[in-house]
Amino acid sequence: QVQLVQSGTEVKKPGASVKVSCKASGYTFTSNTMHWVRQAPGQRLEWMGWINAGNDNTKYSQKFQGRVTITRDTSASTAYMELSSLRSEDTAVYYCAREPGSSGWNYCDYWGQGTLVTVSS
Amino acid sequence: EIVLTQSPGTVSLSPGERVTLSCRASQSVSSSYLAWYQQKPGQAPRLLIYGASSRATGIPDRFSGSGSGTDFTLTISRLEPEDFAVYYCQQYGSSPVFGGGTKVEIK
Repeated sequence: QVQLVQSGTEVKKPGASVKVSCKASGYTFTSNTMHWVRQAPGQRLEWMGWINAGNDNTKYSQKFQGRVTITRDTSASTAYMELSSLRSEDTAVYYCAREPGSSGWNYCDYWGQGTLVTVSS
Repeated sequence: EIVLTQSPGTVSLSPGERVTLSCRASQSVSSSYLAWYQQKPGQAPRLLIYGASSRATGIPDRFSGSGSGTDFTLTISRLEPEDFAVYYCQQYGSSPVFGGGTKVEIK
């Protein structure tokens, strides 16, 4: 069965960076694109970007362009999302989510459990 | 960027009742690239509907989606206790975006 297991809770100071991991199992990692979505407390879901795990192509939301980097390690079947220059407004739960294809323009059928990132001085 | 507006914001109902949730897009959603997700407190979203009307694997047939262009709906024909949650629509035809959600609460 498909599983996405994310790394644990992070607490960061403003200006720092955070890197969240998402380990995939139960399918061929390089056959699908992985998305990253975040949710600030009480807010709507917000798409951040995706990585095609097969060809390493990436696409980022304009809102996060320049601050977010999504990478993958095919040998570990793991995707990563790094967000830099953190500010208090980046406090949120960050999710990885797999799409059933590889186009990048698709819904997400499996989601990780979420990683809480708190930014506080 | 397409903006999705969901209504109502909150609806209070009893188990067994029928509910229809609305998702309106600021521009036409190409090829009905519209999905619906259910989210319960402390949990990740769960895919219910994709392509505006196709149920995801394992989703009960009391959930149905319809619509095209700029107007989409999610209907739950008979609310079960486990259906009380927040529901989000998402368009994924271009830069993905989510609606603000509709909370279905117990009356």
